[in-house]
Amino acid sequence: EVQLVESGGGLVQPGGSLRLSCAASGFTFSDYEMIWVRQAPGKGLEWISYISSRATTMYYADSVKGRFTISRDNAKNSLYLQMDSLRAEDTAVYYCARETMVKAFDIWGQGTMVTVSS
Amino acid sequence: QPVLTQPTSLSASPGASARLTCTLRSGFNLGSYRIFWYQQKPESPPRYLLSYSSDSSKHQGSGVPSRFSGSKDASSNAGILVVSGLLSEDEADYYCMIWHSSAYWVFGGGTKLTVL
Repeated sequence: EVQLVESGGGLVQPGGSLRLSCAASGFTFSDYEMIWVRQAPGKGLEWISYISSRATTMYYADSVKGRFTISRDNAKNSLYLQMDSLRAEDTAVYYCARETMVKAFDIWGQGTMVTVSS
Repeated sequence: QPVLTQPTSLSASPGASARLTCTLRSGFNLGSYRIFWYQQKPESPPRYLLSYSSDSSKHQGSGVPSRFSGSKDASSNAGILVVSGLLSEDEADYYCMIWHSSAYWVFGGGTKLTVL
């Protein structure tokens, strides 16, 4: 079964850090580009980061540029999101997803909740 | 930067068709973009439905019924998702998305579809 499972969410104080993980299974992880999307409570979807299949190219939304770092370990079939200098407005469910050749996100994880609050 | 605008809500009756729109900000030509559609039910991740660039370049997500179809309306610079033969299970939030060379992936604000 093709699957993505996020972990690492939780409660963190403003200015703090958190590292999210996304474990992939059921497909050849190293063949696919991957992304992170977040959804604030009661709000819509926001794309935040992309990484190419061999980690040679990364993109970030302006809202997280300079604070978040995407990475991957193809040997471990895992995707990561290092989040630093967290703000209250970063509070959201964070989803990892697989990107297809036509730039669609065809497989999504269940999401992990990040709450930034004092 | 491109902005996608979706109606906040839409209601339709079971068995009828629902037409969801996704309008691209003036100054950007939707004809140049592939538009993607996602469905999200409460407490669940989004589900990829389909993508549409033209009648000869479209893709249906895995397991997505043919009741879901995409198109474009050039006159209004909008992408269209039609859900025909509405079922109660189609009640969900629907998001459109495009890929842009400098903004990368841009989502619309979402439309809440109510089937009643």
